[in-house]
This record gives sequence, structure tokens and C-alpha cells, in this order.
Amino acid sequence: AQTVTQSQPEMSVQEAETVTLSCTYDTSESDYYLFWYKQPPSRQMILVIRQEAYKQQNATENRFSVNFQKAAKSFSLKISDSQLGDAAMYFCAYRSARVGRDDKIIFGKGTRLHILP
Amino acid sequence: DGGITQSPKYLFRKEGQNVTLSCEQNLNHDAMYWYRQDPGQGLRLIYYSQIVNDFQKGDIAEGYSVSREKKESFPLTVTSAQKNPTAFYLCASSIAWRQAEKLFFGSGTQLSVL
Repeated sequence: AQTVTQSQPEMSVQEAETVTLSCTYDTSESDYYLFWYKQPPSRQMILVIRQEAYKQQNATENRFSVNFQKAAKSFSLKISDSQLGDAAMYFCAYRSARVGRDDKIIFGKGTRLHILP
Repeated sequence: DGGITQSPKYLFRKEGQNVTLSCEQNLNHDAMYWYRQDPGQGLRLIYYSQIVNDFQKGDIAEGYSVSREKKESFPLTVTSAQKNPTAFYLCASSIAWRQAEKLFFGSGTQLSVL
């Protein structure tokens, strides 16, 4: 079974600095998708960034980028120029690309990010 | 605006009582999901449905039931068999046939036991 591990329960970063959140996963499949979701204090989850495993190029969305290391099964999220609004819980997630009834997204336990003014 | 509506925002359950959490979406998505969130546990999948009139158990389905009679609706019933129901419940949807598509989430329901 696939698993997603976030080893940092909490992190802090100074405003305007850069921070990297770690995520590792375990799967025997070769084709899959990886996601980072953000849960702010309002508790409504929103997608930050996603990566297709077959793409070697790392995904980027404005100040958010990932470092995808397929062989190492690592998928870290880098937030540049951290802003107060980035304070949230961040979840790493995995989804198989295999079409079928076993179609579900697996989430890590999350990393709570604090932004220090 | 399209989106997912969960109600109520807060819900209290008495001992031995069944309660139903509502989830409605107007995104025309085929797939819908229910997750349970406990502090330090991340999101755990309760049930999911890829199409109307069909649903599958997730990782923690015991004590819960669902129905999917309409495409836009996926209610979750927390039965009296669920001995530890206090948690934050999130409903989500996606275009199931496109695996890369993101999940859209509702704003959640906090369930507590009286």
C-alpha cells in the first residue's frame, strides 16, 4: 500500500525568508501524481501545487516550487519570500495514475508552518 | 460561483444517536469523497464515490454510511456504532476520470459528542 510521510510536524520561518517542507512517499507504481494542499486557519483546503511523476521538470506556481526526486521518492515544497498569509497546515498527497475502482488520494499527516513577523 | 457546500458547520451528537452531514456540489464532478481529520492524524478517507449510485469504503468506514442518489449530493451518516465520532469532517469532489485533477474541498463540519 502507498504511504505518505511528512517528518516535520511544525516549522517556523521568518517573513520574507525561504522555507522547505519535506515529504517522502512509498509506492511500487511508476505513474502517479503528487500534490501539496494548504489548510489555513479557516480550515478550507486548497491546492498549492501538483506534479505528474512522468514529468522530470519540477512544478512551479509563483512563490511555490517543488523538488521532485523520483528515485528517492521525495517531494519537497519550497516557499520563497514567505508571507504572513502562508501560515497554515500543509499536506502532501499522492494519487495513483492507474484508472480503476481503487481511485483515492492518500495524505500525509501535515506540517504546520508558522510565519514569524 | 461553483463549489462545495457542507452543512452544518458545527454539529453535536448525543449518545446512541445517528447524525447526517450534508455535502452538495455544483461543479458537475463525478467523484466525491469524505475525509475525517483528527489533530496530528492528517486526512483519512472514510468513503468515496466515483459515480452516482456507486461508492466504496475508504480506510476508516466502520461506523459510517453514505449514499449517492444524485450526482451533486453525497451525505455522510455517522451512526451510533462510531464510538469516537468527534472530529472535523471534510467533503471533497473531483473530475474522477482525470487523475491529475485536484480535489475541491468544502469548508468542513466539526462534529462533537455531548
